[in-house]
Amino acid sequence: AQTVTQSQPEMSVQEAETVTLSCTYDTSESDYYLFWYKQPPSRQMILVIRQEAYKQQNATENRFSVNFQKAAKSFSLKISDSQLGDAAMYFCASVSNTGNQFYFGTGTSLTVIP
Amino acid sequence: EAGVAQSPRYKIIEKRQSVAFWCNPISGHATLYWYQQILGQGPKLLIQFQNNGVVDDSQLPKDRFSAERLKGVDSTLKIQPAKLEDSAVYLCASSTYRVGYTFGSGTRLTVV
Repeated sequence: AQTVTQSQPEMSVQEAETVTLSCTYDTSESDYYLFWYKQPPSRQMILVIRQEAYKQQNATENRFSVNFQKAAKSFSLKISDSQLGDAAMYFCASVSNTGNQFYFGTGTSLTVIP
Repeated sequence: EAGVAQSPRYKIIEKRQSVAFWCNPISGHATLYWYQQILGQGPKLLIQFQNNGVVDDSQLPKDRFSAERLKGVDSTLKIQPAKLEDSAVYLCASSTYRVGYTFGSGTRLTVV
């Protein structure tokens, strides 16, 4: 089994500033994938960014980037130039290459202050 | 492409009543999942289907929960009888592979 830990229940950031959300995971798998999902009040889980564990290069999607430290089993999300629409719950998740089940962290609630 | 459709959006029932949720996955997605998300927690897998066969239902409380996916397309999740602790958001997701994993908007169940 895999476990995902998000140690920051709540975070806040000023609009246009940068914020980093933390995530650590534990897995015995050698090949796996890591994800950040955004869940606004509408409850829709929206994929923010995806990282393949075999890739050393950190994934980037516009204002969103990750800092993937495989040895430390750390997978943090950096949001640059924060916007009001970024306010949501953010979930870190992992899935192994041999299975399809996602393991989710408990989430970080992000508030963006105008 | 159309997303994963779920209904109803909200449901309020009394304990010991029964309730059913419906999910229509993205066309062509062979794998369908039901997750339970209790307030303040991340989603937890209840059951995974591959076409119309069950792949993993190890965390499904089978004494009260049941799910089916007839014809390998739509799926229903039923709770009978409901308990107060079943109050949660029930998320459906479908995928062809990890990159194609898509969630529906969920059904918020309140058991009173």
